[in-house]
Amino acid sequence: DVKVTQSSRYLVKRTGEKVFLECVQDMDHENMFWYRQDPGLGLRLIYFSYDVKMKEKGDIPEGYSVSREKKERFSLILESASTNQTSMYLCASRRQGSYGYTFGSGTRLTVV
Amino acid sequence: EDKVVQSPLSLVVHEGDTVTLNCSYEVTNFRSLLWYKQEKKAPTFLFMLTSSGIEKKSGRLSSILDKKELFSILNITATQTGDSAVYLCARGENDMRFGAGTRLTVKP
Repeated sequence: DVKVTQSSRYLVKRTGEKVFLECVQDMDHENMFWYRQDPGLGLRLIYFSYDVKMKEKGDIPEGYSVSREKKERFSLILESASTNQTSMYLCASRRQGSYGYTFGSGTRLTVV
Repeated sequence: EDKVVQSPLSLVVHEGDTVTLNCSYEVTNFRSLLWYKQEKKAPTFLFMLTSSGIEKKSGRLSSILDKKELFSILNITATQTGDSAVYLCARGENDMRFGAGTRLTVKP
């Protein structure tokens, strides 16, 4: 069964901390994506990556960075966490050229 | 900026009712429109639509796309409590962009 795994289901961090959210896929997909999901706003794209070491900004990249050193792993980094980054974070992957996305189960991050 | 707008934002119905969820989009270079169902965790894929007027069907769920009027609908007939979820519509380009979702609650 193909999988996208997000390392933490729930996370609580303090304001100002550096936070790493990890996402690993086992499908050899080229494309990977990070979204955040907030009530009434749906899923908003933060960053995506077409392939290893490549990254592109989405709609709301401010306050975030990403790392894609290996094909299977796409990390989202909150350089200095703030309370407005409290959200559900969803990772997804996709084979290049296909339409089907596979999502991870999400990480609910609370910044206090 | 490309936009995907869903309506209504929330809907409460009773078991057995039929519901229609709406998704309109403003995109350049349209390629596809996708519907997802999200319960407690990750969104799960329902339909992908690329051509106007061709209905996609899966059990009690069906969806159709109108590329001229730039919208899609998702129909659910004979709703069940297990249909309660957030339904997400997304335009499928190189980077998928979602609408805000419709939260459907089906009461027994």
